[in-house]
Amino acid sequence: DTAVSQTPKYLVTQMGNDKSIKCEQNLGHDTMYWYKQDSKKFLKIMFSYNNKELIINETVPNRFSPKSPDKAHLNLHINSLELGDSAVYFCASSQDLTGGLFNEQFFGPGTRLTVL
Amino acid sequence: SQKIEQNSEALNIQEGKTATLTCNYTNYSPAYLQWYRQDPGRGPVFLLLIRENEKEKRKERLKVTFDTTLKQSLFHITASQPADSATYLCAQQGDSSYKLIFGSGTRLLVRP
Repeated sequence: DTAVSQTPKYLVTQMGNDKSIKCEQNLGHDTMYWYKQDSKKFLKIMFSYNNKELIINETVPNRFSPKSPDKAHLNLHINSLELGDSAVYFCASSQDLTGGLFNEQFFGPGTRLTVL
Repeated sequence: SQKIEQNSEALNIQEGKTATLTCNYTNYSPAYLQWYRQDPGRGPVFLLLIRENEKEKRKERLKVTFDTTLKQSLFHITASQPADSATYLCAQQGDSSYKLIFGSGTRLLVRP
């Protein structure tokens, strides 16, 4: 069983469209994250949720809206897509909010978003 | 703001040698550092965590050191194998204990 899964794996769309990426974890973790990895390979935190509550919002444009229907799911909806949104988006989870100090983060396989 | 730097040039070594990757951080000393491995087209996979009060951590062929004076962590892979070829990411504690700041990674190539 895949621990952290994301769909879709690839997403190609036109500028101005709205798209969603779904993430699910079956590890029983409390905390989930969205990261963006750009062409230079920097992995940057975007959002973090703990038990469905938003904990981290890293100055991401409000075109990006995460939604956590339950603690096993964290979806990312992006409105009015722009060329600069092209990147690989990773979902991750950790056991709890201490993830980093006491436990690691588990990453999904990534979603490669290409905006044309 | 926190910044974490890794050598952007690929490290190319012969199989059997020890690979050493460097991670330097600026500003305050983080409470911990983590190392991840990332293969092409995949998400990062956790390898090791080292806390500020630990000088060294080992796991099989992997060894990580943490020098708070030099503000540096070294990641070693002994008896390297072609299967070790990947990008290795260093991550430090961010401005909150549960936020990770990642470096851009160093690509390791192990020649047979």
